[in-house]
Amino acid sequence: AQKVTQAQTEISVVEKEDVTLDCVYETRDTTYYLFWYKQPPSGELVFLIRRNSFDEQNEISGRYSWNFQKSTSSFNFTITASQVVDSAVYFCALSEASGANSKLTFGKGITLSVRP
Amino acid sequence: GAGVSQSPSNKVTEKGKDVELRCDPISGHTALYWYRQSLGQGLEFLIYFQGNSAPDKSGLPSDRFSAERTGGSVSTLTIQRTQQEDSAVYLCASSPSLFAGGGTEAFFGQGTRLTVV
Repeated sequence: AQKVTQAQTEISVVEKEDVTLDCVYETRDTTYYLFWYKQPPSGELVFLIRRNSFDEQNEISGRYSWNFQKSTSSFNFTITASQVVDSAVYFCALSEASGANSKLTFGKGITLSVRP
Repeated sequence: GAGVSQSPSNKVTEKGKDVELRCDPISGHTALYWYRQSLGQGLEFLIYFQGNSAPDKSGLPSDRFSAERTGGSVSTLTIQRTQQEDSAVYLCASSPSLFAGGGTEAFFGQGTRLTVV
């Protein structure tokens, strides 16, 4: 069975601090996909990144970066120089690669509060 | 609109009543998913549609829950004889590709907040 663990439940930082959100996953599949979604107060889940299990290159997009390490089954997310608008719930998720079904197994989410 | 649309945005119902939640996916998206988000359980998968058929219903919590999709577009999630534990936000998502495999990005609606009193 697939499982995603986000051990941190709530994080509070002051604006401009860097913050890392941890994600650890479990799967028996050799091919799989990992995702991060952001859920602002409006409630809609916003896609941030997708990574397949064969691509361990780290990725940077503006202030966001992701560190995928298969050896530790982790897919961590770092926000550099955090801003108040980054305040949201962040979900890490996993899906199988086979077939057309892309259903997601989510972690419990991390509530990030960025204070001015 | 261009995104996934869900209605109603909020629904309050009495215990024992039936409710219907609607999802309008992004035009042309063949895959449609329902998820439930509750305080104790986080985000849980309910059901997956490919076109009008539902090859994966494994997440439906009981036979009080059912869903259908018509015309490869609009989907309705029905909860019969609602219970207080059904209170949650019900999220719909759609994705474009029929044969793209498991990595296809899903686009989410804003959800329907269901409160059973």
